[in-house]
Amino acid sequence: AQTVTQSQPEMSVQEAETVTLSCTYDTSESDYYLFWYKQPPSRQMILVIRQEAYKQQNATENRFSVNFQKAAKSFSLKISDSQLGDAAMYFCAYRSASGNEKLTFGTGTRLTIIP
Amino acid sequence: DSGVTQTPKHLITATGQRVTLRCSPRSGDLSVYWYQQSLDQGLQFLIQYYNGEERAKGNILERFSAQQFPDLHSELNLSSLELGDSALYFCASTSHRDSEQFFGPGTRLTVL
Repeated sequence: AQTVTQSQPEMSVQEAETVTLSCTYDTSESDYYLFWYKQPPSRQMILVIRQEAYKQQNATENRFSVNFQKAAKSFSLKISDSQLGDAAMYFCAYRSASGNEKLTFGTGTRLTIIP
Repeated sequence: DSGVTQTPKHLITATGQRVTLRCSPRSGDLSVYWYQQSLDQGLQFLIQYYNGEERAKGNILERFSAQQFPDLHSELNLSSLELGDSALYFCASTSHRDSEQFFGPGTRLTVL
């Protein structure tokens, strides 16, 4: 079974600075997807970024980028120019490309933005 | 707004009762997923339906059941409720297996 680990329960960053959230996963599959979801105080789950395992290029979405290290099974999220609206819980998630389509989530990292 | 709707937003009930949570997927999405978010268990996959048929099961209790109707909306039925069933229940939908899952706003269930 796949597992996702987020070892940082809480992180904080000064507004306009850069922060990196860590995620590692365990799987025996070679083809899969990785995601970062954001959950603000409203509790809505919002997709931040997605990475296909077969792509070597790291995904980027505006101020959000990932560092995907397939051999190390690591998938970190970098947020540049942090804004107050980035304050939320961030969940790393894994999904098989060929088997069960469920998302397996990590335990989340609570990100605080310091004005 | 993800396009996925869930009703009700909040539900307060007593132990032993039965409730039904409803989800309408995004227009055109055939797959519906149910997830439970609780303080002790985190976010867990419960069950998936695809075009009316059950496709995958996760950590869903026998007291819980779900179905997807011909119009593709889905219902999650929770019975013999216990205090530990208090959680946020999310529905998500997707158009095909390679696309991301879009989440609804969730239903917060409180069992007293």
